[in-house]
Amino acid sequence: AQSVTQLDSQVPVFEEAPVELRCNYSSSVSVYLFWYVQYPNQGLQLLLKYLSGSTLVKGINGFEAEFNKSQTSFHLRKPSVHISDTAEYFCAVSDRITGGFKTIFGAGTRLFVKA
Amino acid sequence: DVKVTQSSRYLVKRTGEKVFLECVQDMDHENMFWYRQDPGLGLRLIYFSYDVKMKEKGDIPEGYSVSREKKERFSLILESASTNQTSMYLCASSPSGTSTYEQYFGPGTRLTVT
Repeated sequence: AQSVTQLDSQVPVFEEAPVELRCNYSSSVSVYLFWYVQYPNQGLQLLLKYLSGSTLVKGINGFEAEFNKSQTSFHLRKPSVHISDTAEYFCAVSDRITGGFKTIFGAGTRLFVKA
Repeated sequence: DVKVTQSSRYLVKRTGEKVFLECVQDMDHENMFWYRQDPGLGLRLIYFSYDVKMKEKGDIPEGYSVSREKKERFSLILESASTNQTSMYLCASSPSGTSTYEQYFGPGTRLTVT
């Protein structure tokens, strides 16, 4: 069964500093990897996704992630964070099953950007 | 833009009550999902549906049931609410026939069972 581990439950960082949110997943024949963001009192929205092709994926709001198959990782990065990036971030992996697909989410990483 | 709406943002119910959580999507998506979100546990899949009148159990279906009579609407039912069902409930939808597996989420319903 697929699993997703987000290595940090909370990440405090100062504004304009770089940040990396770490995600590891259990291996499978093929995986589809996602990062979602949840702002306070809102649902989740897609930040970026890896389906195939280039291992460096760019998403919205200046975020990017790198798929590393040998390390089964999909870490999220941003070179300079803003106060508005304060949110909870979820790494997710999807796999094909009979009839459709199933998505497993990590426990989440709360990013707190300080002025 | 895809829009997924949930009937209530906040709900307070008593133990033993029957609770209905409604979810509606406006983009003709075939797939719909119900998750619960708890601190430190992320999102856990309760039920999902790939078509009208079709349902499949997710990872934590105990104590819940679902109904999908129309394509755009997916309801989660707590037959007899208990305090351990206090949680944030998120509905999501996605199209079929693609390989993106991206899901679109509603704003969530924060349910408190007292």
